[in-house]
This record gives sequence, structure tokens and C-alpha cells, in this order.
Amino acid sequence: SQQGEEDPQALSIQEGENATMNCSYKTSINNLQWYRQNSGRGLVHLILIRSNEREKHSGRLRVTLDTSKKSSSLLITASRAADTASYFCATDLNTGGFKTIFGAGTRLFVKA
Amino acid sequence: EPEVTQTPSHQVTQMGQEVILRCVPISNHLYFYWYRQILGQKVEFLVSFYNNEISEKSEIFDDQFSVERPDGSNFTLKIRSTKLEDSAMYFCASSDGVAGVVDTQYFGPGTRLTVL
Repeated sequence: SQQGEEDPQALSIQEGENATMNCSYKTSINNLQWYRQNSGRGLVHLILIRSNEREKHSGRLRVTLDTSKKSSSLLITASRAADTASYFCATDLNTGGFKTIFGAGTRLFVKA
Repeated sequence: EPEVTQTPSHQVTQMGQEVILRCVPISNHLYFYWYRQILGQKVEFLVSFYNNEISEKSEIFDDQFSVERPDGSNFTLKIRSTKLEDSAMYFCASSDGVAGVVDTQYFGPGTRLTVL
């Protein structure tokens, strides 16, 4: 598997439902970040979770990190049509330098 | 709220030409990055820059690419001789950090490079 793989690749849900996206990675990290990208536009930062943290919340977003399994999840509760976007995890590698690897992303479609 | 800016928003060039993409990072940030995203694909790391030198670079960042921080505010990416496959959206990002661990990366809106 690649560093930073998300699943599912695509997710379609009804407004009001929860959406869960998962990210797995291979190597040691300092941080893991989640971003949102609307079609053809820029990347919006959602949450950063550090390697010594297990869970973080921001509004309707909940991120977990399990470093023993090298995995993270992003939960969006009570989804809205405006949440329709691609969601990417990005791992800040623990290489001594500064290198961030993005996953291929999950495309979320929320039906009104 | 401070933001990362990039110019131009769209650049069209002929194959073999040199292009310079410009970025103005957030003013108190110390870490700078370039990424690219080919249409429909994932975001790919190109290079990171700290303390006036390259920190890490990917296999994509070959001799055709260079970065520079010519003054206290701008951060540029130069592609010396563009190829068709360089057509992509190029994103600049900047972040703060403490004790060598970077913080949140904030992205600019991107420059769409089209090589004809």
C-alpha cells in the first residue's frame, strides 16, 4: 500500500447521515492532517492531529489516530449537501526533514 | 485572517519555455512547500524549504525545478524547460513550527499551469 491511502474511494450518503473516511499509512509520522477540496479548487485545512494524540474534535468533525495500526479516521456528523467534496489525509513524515504525503482521497457526495 | 497568495492564477506556456510561479506565504511562517496536482489525481509533494535551503524534495523535483526565496516575502518555483506533463495545478503552502515539528500547512489557491 502507498503512504496515505484513503478508503472508501467514493462515498454517497443522504443529508443528515454520518460519513466516515479512513486513512492508512506506512511510515513513522509527526502529524496527520485532513484537508477538504472542492472540485478544481484549493485545499482547506480541517484538522491536524499529532502523533501523540488519539482524538480531536472540531465542530462536526472528529478525527482519530491509531499509531499502532498506522491509521486515522475522519468522521463528519450530520452531513450537509455543502460537505460534498474530496477529503484527503496528509502525513507529515518523521524523516528529520519536512515532507508531507497526500493520499488519493475520498470523494464524498451528500444528497439533499 | 492571513492567507497564502499565488500568482498568476493561470499560466499558459509553450513546451520548452521557462516559467516562474510565485507565492507569498503567511508572513510569520518559517516552512514553505510546493505541491502539484495533475487533473483528477492526488496532490503530490514537490519540495519543502526551511532556513533558506531545501529540506526535502521528491523524485519529481529534478534538475528542471528550482525554488528560491528572493526576499523576505516571496517564494518561487521555477521550471526551466517545461514539458507537456508539467501541466497541473501547483500549490504553495506555508506553516509555522516548533522544535522542528511543523504545524498546520496553509495552502494558496493554486496556479494552473498549461503547457502546449
